[in-house]
Amino acid sequence: DTGVSQDPRHKITKRGQNVTFRCDPISEHNRLYWYRQTLGQGPEFLTYFQNEAQLEKSRLLSDRFSAERPKGSFSTLEIQRTEQGDSAMYLCASSLASAETQYFGPGTRLLVL
Amino acid sequence: EDQVTQSPEALRLQEGESSSLNCSYTVSGLRGLFWYRQDPGKGPEFLFTLYSAGEEKEKERLKATLTKKESFLHITAPKPEDSATYLCAVEGNYGQNFVFGPGTRLSVLP
Repeated sequence: DTGVSQDPRHKITKRGQNVTFRCDPISEHNRLYWYRQTLGQGPEFLTYFQNEAQLEKSRLLSDRFSAERPKGSFSTLEIQRTEQGDSAMYLCASSLASAETQYFGPGTRLLVL
Repeated sequence: EDQVTQSPEALRLQEGESSSLNCSYTVSGLRGLFWYRQDPGKGPEFLFTLYSAGEEKEKERLKATLTKKESFLHITAPKPEDSATYLCAVEGNYGQNFVFGPGTRLSVLP
């Protein structure tokens, strides 16, 4: 399978715990994006990378959120001190370049109790 | 700020009953408009990319069109398997990411 993959697919955690999600993009794609989606809404942009450089972060991304793409391949999204409001689907997408089609992974569904 | 709205919020069709979904956008210079289909609990699945007004794309029972202010997704003779949420997204000149609309939930009844 050469699509975008995400791990884990589901995560249940207690408030205050840290969680980390992984995304493996399509191999030749330079751009990698993270989005958050809540029920009944479209995905909301969080951050994106061009190769290993993090070029833009949404104001939605509080200082409890951090993302990395250390070698320009896979990426991780960490949420520290989780809150119930962090419960959502976290989506990763990749593309060849700006204004090109973004291909999405299956998402990681996070539930914070 | 780039904005996308979609209508209707939800749509119920009988199998074979054609209809259209609307995506209205406000963007500082459109670089691309994208349609996705999303099934419950899954990531969005790419359908179409449109870059300029007047452009049209077709795939099976779906046809997407684009004007300077909106896009339509026309569904001809839908089948129950077309039931999903249809998302529209834009990328403008001053953003490097997609701005999504809230989606239209389509149900096609047999």
